[in-house]
Amino acid sequence: DSQMTQSPSSLSASVGDRVTITCRASQGIRNYLAWYQQKPGKAPKLLIYAASTLQSGVPSRFSGSGSGTDFTLTISSLQPEDVATYYCQKYNSALGTFGPGTKVDIK
Amino acid sequence: EVQLVESGGGLVQPGGSLRLSCAASGFTFSNYAMSWVRQAPGKGLEWVSTISDSGDSTYYADSVKGRFTISRDNSKNTLYLQMNSLRAEDTAIYYCAKSGCSDGSCRYNYWGQGTLVTVSS
Repeated sequence: DSQMTQSPSSLSASVGDRVTITCRASQGIRNYLAWYQQKPGKAPKLLIYAASTLQSGVPSRFSGSGSGTDFTLTISSLQPEDVATYYCQKYNSALGTFGPGTKVDIK
Repeated sequence: EVQLVESGGGLVQPGGSLRLSCAASGFTFSNYAMSWVRQAPGKGLEWVSTISDSGDSTYYADSVKGRFTISRDNSKNTLYLQMNSLRAEDTAIYYCAKSGCSDGSCRYNYWGQGTLVTVSS
C-alpha cells in the first residue's frame, strides 16, 4: 500500500506570507488526496479533498493541487489562526494512510 | 448538525481489553463508512480501521490486525472498536471519523472529539 511523506516537517513564516507544503505518495493515487488541519488539543478538520476541492466553509486562502504522486497545499496569505499541524491523507482505498504532518508557526 | 461522540476510553493494563463506542447523529448513519484514527501523545495521525456502510467490509492497519475489531450497529447509530491484547504503544487519543461515502474510499468529513486510551501498569 502507498506510503505518504510530507515536507517540510515544520516551518515558521510571517503573517501574510505564502506557505507551501508538499505531500508525496509512494505509488500513484490519482487525485484521492485530502488535507486536514489540526489545531492543538482539537480534532482534525477537513480542508481539501480530491486534491484541489475546498471543503465548504474553508477560507479561500487555502488551495490544493497535484495528481498522481505529488501534491501541494498552499496558504496564500498566512494568518495567525492558521497556526496548526497539517496532514495529507490518501484515500484511493479504504486504508487511509496519513502523512507525518507539517507544523506551521508564526515567525 | 453532524455529531460524533466517542466514549469508553480509560486506563487499562497491558494485555487488557477495552471497547470504544462512537454515537453518531445528524446524518443517515447506515449510508456511510466509518473509521477510527488514533494519535499517540505528541505524534501524528494514524489510521486504525474502517468499516463499510453495511458492516460487510472491514479494514485494519497492520499494527492492530488480529487484536482490534471494528463493528457497527446501524439500528443504534453507533460505531465500536473492540481492543484486545493492548500494548503500551496503543496509548493514544482515538477519534471516530465519518467517511464521505459508503465504502471507505473517501475523505473523512466529520470527526469526533476523541477519547483517550492509556495502556499502563
